[in-house]
Amino acid sequence: KAGVTQTPRYLIKTRGQQVTLSCSPISGHRSVSWYQQTPGQGLQFLFEYFSETQRNKGNFPGRFSGRQFSNSRSEMNVSTLELGDSALYLCASSLVGGRTDTQYFGPGTRLTVL
Amino acid sequence: LAKTTQPISMDSYEGQEVNITCSHNNIATNDYITWYQQFPSQGPRFIIQGYKTKVTNEVASLFIPADRKSSTLSLPRVSLSDTAVYYCLVGTLNNNNDMRFGAGTRLTVKP
Repeated sequence: KAGVTQTPRYLIKTRGQQVTLSCSPISGHRSVSWYQQTPGQGLQFLFEYFSETQRNKGNFPGRFSGRQFSNSRSEMNVSTLELGDSALYLCASSLVGGRTDTQYFGPGTRLTVL
Repeated sequence: LAKTTQPISMDSYEGQEVNITCSHNNIATNDYITWYQQFPSQGPRFIIQGYKTKVTNEVASLFIPADRKSSTLSLPRVSLSDTAVYYCLVGTLNNNNDMRFGAGTRLTVKP
């Protein structure tokens, strides 16, 4: 079974631009979560989608948004990029989410904002 | 969500058993304990999950005392490839996939 895939793997943008990242979950998984990882803040939860609905959201500004499609694929968008948005963005999928459901992470998208 | 505390770093040598302890004093009754491993520039990888006593799989063992206020990840006979950051996570809300990662423990295995 194929794992979680994320595209693109690397991205360079400039301040003020916007960016869209894509995540394809493991087949059959309906929950997709997004995380931001930086050396200073570690892994931080952005949001989780289940059945095309945002089920939970972390403490990030409204510039960070996402959506999920009927095939469970998800996209994350960041508008008006700031230098501090440079990070590894990770997507994780699980069957239905919840406290005992194992999350499987993708390789991440490395975003650099200049 | 229960806060976790782990050592920032640990060193070991190849072939040794490594035990990483995580404290979670405020763990709730329905919370589970999960450990992940992460290599540089890769996503975290699930290692093991448990609720109480002992859980063992082909990779590691997880020991959880009766009060569940801590847990210990045990890696038998580590190799250089086990050098990574190990995260302990405790619990999620009902119908909520939010996972709050702590700083993790950076394990360095030396030859």
